[in-house]
Amino acid sequence: QKEVEQNSGPLSVPEGAIASLNCTYSDRVSQSFFWYRQYSGKSPELIMSIYSNGDKEDGRFTAQLNKASQYVSLLIRDSQPSDSATYLCAVSNTGGFKTIFGAGTRLFVKA
Amino acid sequence: SQTIHQWPATLVQPVGSPLSLECTVEGTSNPNLYWYRQAAGRGLQLLFYSVGIGQISSEVPQNLSASRPQDRQFILSSKKLLLSDSGFYLCAGANREPTEAFFGQGTRLTVV
Repeated sequence: QKEVEQNSGPLSVPEGAIASLNCTYSDRVSQSFFWYRQYSGKSPELIMSIYSNGDKEDGRFTAQLNKASQYVSLLIRDSQPSDSATYLCAVSNTGGFKTIFGAGTRLFVKA
Repeated sequence: SQTIHQWPATLVQPVGSPLSLECTVEGTSNPNLYWYRQAAGRGLQLLFYSVGIGQISSEVPQNLSASRPQDRQFILSSKKLLLSDSGFYLCAGANREPTEAFFGQGTRLTVV
């Protein structure tokens, strides 16, 4: 079983729609959860972090965490063509000594 | 905020040649440091992480090694490159709290 699993996609949504990205993880003691965006040929950039159960909103982005189900999600509202990228889910243990990434979900936003 | 400097941006090396990639960190002290590799169209594979000077944990047995000679310097090395070592190498740093990792610009290595 992979430590962090994501649907590879591609996920295609029309401009203005909500994009929903999902991630599951296997280590129950994981403490910190992150979403990164990676454009083709570039390094990942952090867009959201979440540490406790529930929702966390930042602009058009909402991260959701459910530790009991070992599930993290990212919602992108009012999707824009510039949101087209690969979204990486990352999970780290206590102290962040070891951060493991999922394989990423490719998102296409159609104008 | 911390900044990760990584160089070179691209590198073409023949099979069997040595490798040294360097990464330095600005804007923080005593960070956790990481080397990741990303194959084309794939996710990030954690290669090494370090919680302090001289402390290296290896995640994947292979012909690569890492060293941390200074608090904010992290080096990835190989004595003899293989074709399978080609990929996008990323250095990342993270504070102890919060633990978000920030990445350098990456080195695209092609072994020919």
